[in-house]
Parts: sequence; structure tokens; C-alpha cells
Amino acid sequence: DMKVTQMPRYLIKRMGENVLLECGQDMSHETMYWYRQDPGLGLQLIYISYDVDSNSEGDIPKGYRVSRKKREHFSLILDSAKTNQTSVYFCASSSGQANSDYTFGSGTRLLVI
Amino acid sequence: KTQVEQSPQSLVVRQGENCVLQCNYSVTPDNHLRWFKQDTGKGLVSLTVLVDQKDKTSNGRYSATLDKDAKHSTLHITATLLDDTATYICVVGDRGSALGRLHFGAGTQLIVIP
Repeated sequence: DMKVTQMPRYLIKRMGENVLLECGQDMSHETMYWYRQDPGLGLQLIYISYDVDSNSEGDIPKGYRVSRKKREHFSLILDSAKTNQTSVYFCASSSGQANSDYTFGSGTRLLVI
Repeated sequence: KTQVEQSPQSLVVRQGENCVLQCNYSVTPDNHLRWFKQDTGKGLVSLTVLVDQKDKTSNGRYSATLDKDAKHSTLHITATLLDDTATYICVVGDRGSALGRLHFGAGTQLIVIP
């Protein structure tokens, strides 16, 4: 069963703490994404990864960094979390081919207090 | 400025009724348009993708249209079921490859009542 798995599903952190969000996919997709979803807004792209160690900033990269050391894993790191980073974070993957489908994870709900 | 506008923001229908969701966008270029379904607390699931200048797709009770001249798409849901309760998200891709970006609407929240 093709899927994108995100861990953890729920996370509460204090302001200033470091946060690690993990994402895995079992489809050997080259391209992976991190988005955040906030109420009333469309998903916003944080980072995109075209393959191992080939990462590019999305539209809102400030305050985030990513790591992709294996094709099947893509991590999102918040160094010194801020309260405005409270959000739902979605990871997605695609083969990167023309009009290929996108597979989304179930999301990580992060609360920064 | 939001480049993908969806209407209505929310919609309540009775089980068995039909409904139409609208999507207007200003994304250029507009390579393709996708509709996703997002159940509460879950990820996005692709319903359909439209590619041609004037395109139509059908996937069971879901059918969609795209008019790139008008930069407008519709999603029709026929004979709604309680399980259709979800947020439906319109997404415009500016390229066909991974080099492109996806532009997301904020979604239409559909509630189906008995």
C-alpha cells in the first residue's frame, strides 16, 4: 500500500525548543515536500526536495530547515520553535514526472507554547 | 494575494442532493488543476486532475470541469453521501514537472446531513 507516513501525529513544544518532524514514503518517489496548513489559508510550501541532498526553499522557509539523507526520508527541523509556527504540517511526495499524482501524509499537529 | 479562490467557503446539503463547488484562479501559467478531498484530521487525497484547455473528468460520483480561458473549474458531487463530508481543495500547478509549484485554495467545507 503506497503511503506517506508522518511522525509524530501530535506534538507540543515550548518556545525555544528544537523540533524534528519526520516523513517517510515507500514509493521511491524522487520529490518530497513540506507544507504547513493554517486556518483559512491554502497549504504553503516550506521546502521541496528533488532527491537526496537536493533541497530548495519554498515560499516560507524562514525558521525551518530540512534534511534528506535517504530518498525515502525527509525531515523538517525547527531550531528554536516560535509560537507562530503552531500549525499542521504536511509532507507529500511525487514521482516528479509530468502530471504525476501527489501522495500526502496525514499531518503533524504542532503546538508551540 | 490569493491566487486560487474557492466558493462557497462552506456548504451544507442533505444526503442524496447534488452540489457544485467553484474554483477561480489567477495562476499563470496554469499547466493543470487538481481537486483534493481532505477529511477532518487527515491528509489530502487526490480526486481528479484536469489538464486540457477545456477539460472534463469523471470519477464515480465526482465530475469536474476546467476552462483555462476563464481560469475556472467546478467540482460536481452527485447524490451526496454522509462520507462526502470533508474539505475540498482546488490546486493549480504551474508546470507539469516537479520544477513547478502547486498553488492551493483554502478549500470548501462540505457538510452532508441526513
